[in-house]
Amino acid sequence: DVKVTQSSRYLVKRTGEKVFLECVQDMDHENMFWYRQDPGLGLRLIYFSYDVKMKEKGDIPEGYSVSREKKERFSLILESASTNQTSMYLCASSSRLEVQYFGPGTRLTVT
Amino acid sequence: AQSVTQLDSQVPVFEEAPVELRCNYSSSVSVYLFWYVQYPNQGLQLLLKYLSGSTLVKGINGFEAEFNKSQTSFHLRKPSVHISDTAEYFCAVSGAGYSTLTFGKGTMLLVSP
Repeated sequence: DVKVTQSSRYLVKRTGEKVFLECVQDMDHENMFWYRQDPGLGLRLIYFSYDVKMKEKGDIPEGYSVSREKKERFSLILESASTNQTSMYLCASSSRLEVQYFGPGTRLTVT
Repeated sequence: AQSVTQLDSQVPVFEEAPVELRCNYSSSVSVYLFWYVQYPNQGLQLLLKYLSGSTLVKGINGFEAEFNKSQTSFHLRKPSVHISDTAEYFCAVSGAGYSTLTFGKGTMLLVSP
């Protein structure tokens, strides 16, 4: 079975902190994705990556950056966390032309 | 660009009743269509997918969906629901040749005894 793991299930950070969310997949997938999920808004794509060291902006990249130094790992970085970034963050991975597999999510609270 | 509309934010239903969750999409190109389910405090899990071929697609847990190109719809159905089907359901679309997914806002299915 495909496994996508995220470093934390719950995270509480203070405004202005730098936050790292880590995602690891074990199926040698080329594609990796970061979404945020908010009630009534569904999932919105923040960034995605088709290969190591490659990244593409999604629909809501402002306030975020990403890093993909190894194929299996995709990190989401909040340079200076703000309260409007309080959300559920979901990571996903896929091989070409196949479905996306999701991690369990990280619920981030910024106070 | 693609978009997905899930017409109902919440669908209450009694156990063992049939249910239909509606999904309409818009796209200028051929599409792939997906339904995902999210149980409380979990990530998303694939229910079923339409890539090509038969327009009636069967998925896990007794769910099925029908691709209707003329009505640009991909409604999800189950003939008899269980309490354990209580979850949020997301419809998603991608362009053929597979690009990124565009998700609907989700439909919460609430099954009561």
